[in-house]
Amino acid sequence: EDKVVQSPLSLVVHEGDTVTLNCSYEVTNFRSLLWYKQEKKAPTFLFMLTSSGIEKKSGRLSSILDKKELFSILNITATQTGDSAIYLCAVDGGTSYGKLTFGQGTILTVHP
Amino acid sequence: KAGVTQTPRYLIKTRGQQVTLSCSPISGHRSVSWYQQTPGQGLQFLFEYFSETQRNKGNFPGRFSGRQFSNSRSEMNVSTLELGDSALYLCASSGTGAGNTIYFGEGSWLTVV
Repeated sequence: EDKVVQSPLSLVVHEGDTVTLNCSYEVTNFRSLLWYKQEKKAPTFLFMLTSSGIEKKSGRLSSILDKKELFSILNITATQTGDSAIYLCAVDGGTSYGKLTFGQGTILTVHP
Repeated sequence: KAGVTQTPRYLIKTRGQQVTLSCSPISGHRSVSWYQQTPGQGLQFLFEYFSETQRNKGNFPGRFSGRQFSNSRSEMNVSTLELGDSALYLCASSGTGAGNTIYFGEGSWLTVV
């Protein structure tokens, strides 16, 4: 069975700090790894990673995938209070479209 | 382009009742999947539909069912509701082909009392 583990489960930082969120996975037929941000509503898509070593960036957020070691990291630099959210890592195990296996999520709290 | 639309957004039901939730995918998306999110279990996959056919099903009891219509809209039904069914039910849609992102709707908050 596919498995995704995120760490840490929660993190409290101050504005301006840099954070690194981790995601490790075990899947039978890897297709892609996705990161989502969830506030009090639907998960919002951040990144999709399919190839090792290629960093994806969007403003202060970046992510990279290591398919050999089966993990991904999400970095957020110069954090702001608006970054406070649950960050979800999910893996598409390739069994069919639409099925993602999610990690437990990392709850990030950014204090002013 | 409109996003994934779910209705109703909030509802309260009594144990033993049944509930039907609706989802309209992004225009052109033919794959619709459903997830249950609870504080204890996180996001768990319920089932996925493509062209009116259920292609995949998660580990949920038979009380949870769904269907998809020819216009790709989908419904899920939970019969004989239990307190533990209280959760956020999320619908997601995606296009076909490799590299397609899965987009989520706002969700339906179900409370069973």
